[in-house]
Amino acid sequence: QKEVEQDPGPLSVPEGAIVSLNCTYSNSAFQYFMWYRQYSRKGPELLMYTYSSGNKEDGRFTAQVDKSSKYISLFIRDSQPSDSATYLCAINVGAAGNKLTFGGGTRVLVKP
Amino acid sequence: ETGVTQSPTHLIKTRGQQVTLRCSSQSGHNTVSWYQQALGQGPQFIFQYYREEENGRGNFPPRFSGLQFPNYSSELNVNALELDDSALYLCASSWIGTETEAFFGQGTRLTVV
Repeated sequence: QKEVEQDPGPLSVPEGAIVSLNCTYSNSAFQYFMWYRQYSRKGPELLMYTYSSGNKEDGRFTAQVDKSSKYISLFIRDSQPSDSATYLCAINVGAAGNKLTFGGGTRVLVKP
Repeated sequence: ETGVTQSPTHLIKTRGQQVTLRCSSQSGHNTVSWYQQALGQGPQFIFQYYREEENGRGNFPPRFSGLQFPNYSSELNVNALELDDSALYLCASSWIGTETEAFFGQGTRLTVV
């Protein structure tokens, strides 16, 4: 069993729809939860990170963590074609610095 | 752009050869991590360097080795290349005291034939 599981997609939505992404993880020691966006042929860029259970909002993006269920989510409101990318969840233990454990990524396609 | 630069952007090597990939970290960052991303998969942690020493390693064989220099730049060396080593190699820099934010370079795409 992988430490972090993520549906590979692809997830295709019409422009303006809400995109819902999620990951599950197995190690209860994980403390920091991040979402990265990766465009084709580019390195991942950090979108959001959270530490505690609950919601964190940043513009059109909302990250949600449920530590009791070991489940994290990312919601993208009013999706745009420029949101078409692969979204990666990443988790770390924290004490080990930035050694990240990634999910496999979900491809998202927002159609005009 | 993150300020993390990697070179070269692409290269093709033959099975059994050796390769060196380079990374310049973002100004002010003292830690460099390397990741391997196979096509269609998430990045896998290879190792991290801090103060010119290896500071943790993922599940990769010893033929994957690295260096960090006094200016915090880094190299990833892979010996005896195998076909399965074909991947995007990503470098990420960070400050050791910051637990969350790692900035990635654009990657080096290695093809082993």
